Formats: sequence, C-alpha cells, structure tokens
Amino acid sequence: NAGVTQTPKFQVLKTGQSMTLQCAQDMNHEYMSWYRQDPGMGLRLIHYSVGAGITDQGEVPNGYNVSRSTTEDFPLRLLSAAPSQTSVYFCASSYSGTGGGVPEKLFFGSGTQLSVL
Amino acid sequence: GDSVTQMEGPVTLSEEAFLTINCTYTATGYPSLFWYVQYPGEGLQLLLKATKADDKGSNKGFEATYRKETTSFHLEKGSVQVSDSAVYFCALSWGKLQFGAGTQVVVTP
Repeated sequence: NAGVTQTPKFQVLKTGQSMTLQCAQDMNHEYMSWYRQDPGMGLRLIHYSVGAGITDQGEVPNGYNVSRSTTEDFPLRLLSAAPSQTSVYFCASSYSGTGGGVPEKLFFGSGTQLSVL
Repeated sequence: GDSVTQMEGPVTLSEEAFLTINCTYTATGYPSLFWYVQYPGEGLQLLLKATKADDKGSNKGFEATYRKETTSFHLEKGSVQVSDSAVYFCALSWGKLQFGAGTQVVVTP
C-alpha cells in the first residue's frame, strides 16, 4: 500500500518564487489536510478538506492555496514564497470523524522539507 | 483556546530504562487524547489514544491514562529500546486536532 505520498521530499526556493507541493492518497479517505512543522511549535494546520470540492482554512493559511478536484489529490500551492515559509510540510488523510467531525487517526506522508532563501 | 503542553526534550535514556513524557492539556470540553510518534525521516503515526476520563490507551509497550482531574495524559514505557528513539507528540481532539510541540527521545545502547 502506498498510503499518503508527498512530492518532492526536498525543495529550495528563492523568495518570490511559486511552487506546488503534491499530496496523493490511495485509501479513499474523505479528509485531507496540510500541516507545517516548525521547531518548538509542533504541527500547525494550514488547510484541510472534507471531500472533493470542499476546502477550508486551518490555523495558519496565509500565503497558501489549496484545491481538491479529486478524492485522491490535495496539492498545496505557495504563491510567492517567503523565508517565513521555510518548514517541513506534512500531508495527512483520514476517514472523516463521527458525524463529519474532525478525524482522529490521521495517516501522514513522509514530509517535504522546504527552504526559502 | 484549547492547547497541549508537553515536556521539552531531548530526553536521553539508556536502553531498558523507564520512560515518562509529561503531557497536560487545556480544553473547554471533553476531548479525545492521543500520542503520535514520528520516527526519523517519516511522518507521524498514531501510537495510542483515549476517548474519555480514566481510559488507558496502550500500544507497543507504551501506556497513557486520561486523567481528567489533573488534565494530563502522560506517556510511559517500562523498558525502552534503541528503536524507540523518535519524536513523540501529544494531541487532543475537540473540534479540531491540536498537537503539542513534540518531545525528542534518544535511547542509547
């Protein structure tokens, strides 16, 4: 089973450049999300989706866009990269929680380490 | 708002030592509580969970008990192995999934 696949694993950008982090899952999960992991701050939710065509903002959405055209894919777009976006990014998916609420058991990808110079 | 506080690391132990990682939470309701583990170079994976007060979650020799009176969910393992070296995250779910900052554990032979 592939599970949650993230590409690329590493990326270096210059300030102002744009790029898309890819995330795909093959478990037919309704819920997908993007987190960033920074030292001493744990994981912070950027955006999430509860199904194709439905997205919403998390805790730190500024500077990032998402779309969900299929159940399998949930790309994260950086429109104009800034040094503050240097971080490790994780995509996670799950079946939706009870009553459509927040799921509890997330399946994570292996992460993308992004450096913005 | 809801939050999770866990002890800072790194925690360095010898093999077969006893491990405790403290986790306390603040929540307005009655959240579910989790421990996730991140092995080097990998994403997080669920280690154990507890959904109500006095529940004990357990997996792979790790245990944690949901203590409502002390708002705590401390992680314990009686005899650690080198393979337990990882970063451990405490988390709560009440409307959204909220993670703590993570505690790095290093187990030496």
